[in-house]
Amino acid sequence: AQSVTQLDSHVSVSEGTPVLLRCNYSSSYSPSLFWYVQHPNKGLQLLLKYTSAATLVKGINGFEAEFKKSETSFHLTKPSAHMSDAAEYFCVVSKNTGNQFYFGTGTSLTVIP
Amino acid sequence: EAGVAQSPRYKIIEKRQSVAFWCNPISGHATLYWYQQILGQGPKLLIQFQNNGVVDDSQLPKDRFSAERLKGVDSTLKIQPAKLEDSAVYLCASTIARGGTYSYEQYFGPGTRLTVT
Repeated sequence: AQSVTQLDSHVSVSEGTPVLLRCNYSSSYSPSLFWYVQHPNKGLQLLLKYTSAATLVKGINGFEAEFKKSETSFHLTKPSAHMSDAAEYFCVVSKNTGNQFYFGTGTSLTVIP
Repeated sequence: EAGVAQSPRYKIIEKRQSVAFWCNPISGHATLYWYQQILGQGPKLLIQFQNNGVVDDSQLPKDRFSAERLKGVDSTLKIQPAKLEDSAVYLCASTIARGGTYSYEQYFGPGTRLTVT
C-alpha cells in the first residue's frame, strides 16, 4: 500500500524568504516520488521527480527536493520565494513501474509581498 | 507539441443523468490516466490504460463509472447515473515510458469541471 501525507495544508512566506513544503510517504515498494504544481485555472505541471537515482533532485524554477529513505520524506524547498510561486503543490508517490499514483491533499503556498 | 486535450471544459447536469468526457493524449503516449479531483483534495486515480488495455481500475466506482480506450489513442470516461458527490474536476493525463529508465512524467490536460445539481 502507498500513501502520501502533506504535513501543511497552507504555507505562507514573504517574498525572498525560503520555502519549505513537507511531504512524508508510505510505500511497500521502492517508490518514485514527484512534486506537481497547480496554478489557479491552469493544469498540473511537474516540478521535479525522484526515480531511485540521485537523492537530491533539482527541478524547474529553482525548486529542489531531497529523498530521505530513513525519514520517509521528500520535502520541497526553494531558497527564495517569488510572487509567481503562489499556487497549490502536490506530492505524489507511485510504484517504480509507473503504476498506482497517489496524490497528497495539497499545500497551498501564499507569497506575501 | 500539442498537449493533452479534454472536452468539454465545463458540464452541468442533474443527478441521475449521464455524462461523458473525452480525452486525447499527447501523440505517441501509450499510457493514459483518468483522475477525479474533488474541490480541496488531491487528484484520485480512477483508471490507467496502457495502450487499449486497463492496467489499474481499483478505485473506479464500477457501478456507475466506465471508461474505454478502444484504439489505444483517445479515451472516454462515462458516468451513469450521476450523483451529487460526483461533482469534481476530471483530469486526463498521459505518459511515455522510456525503456530501462522509468520517467513516468505525467502530462495533464486542463480538466473537465462537472457540476451535478
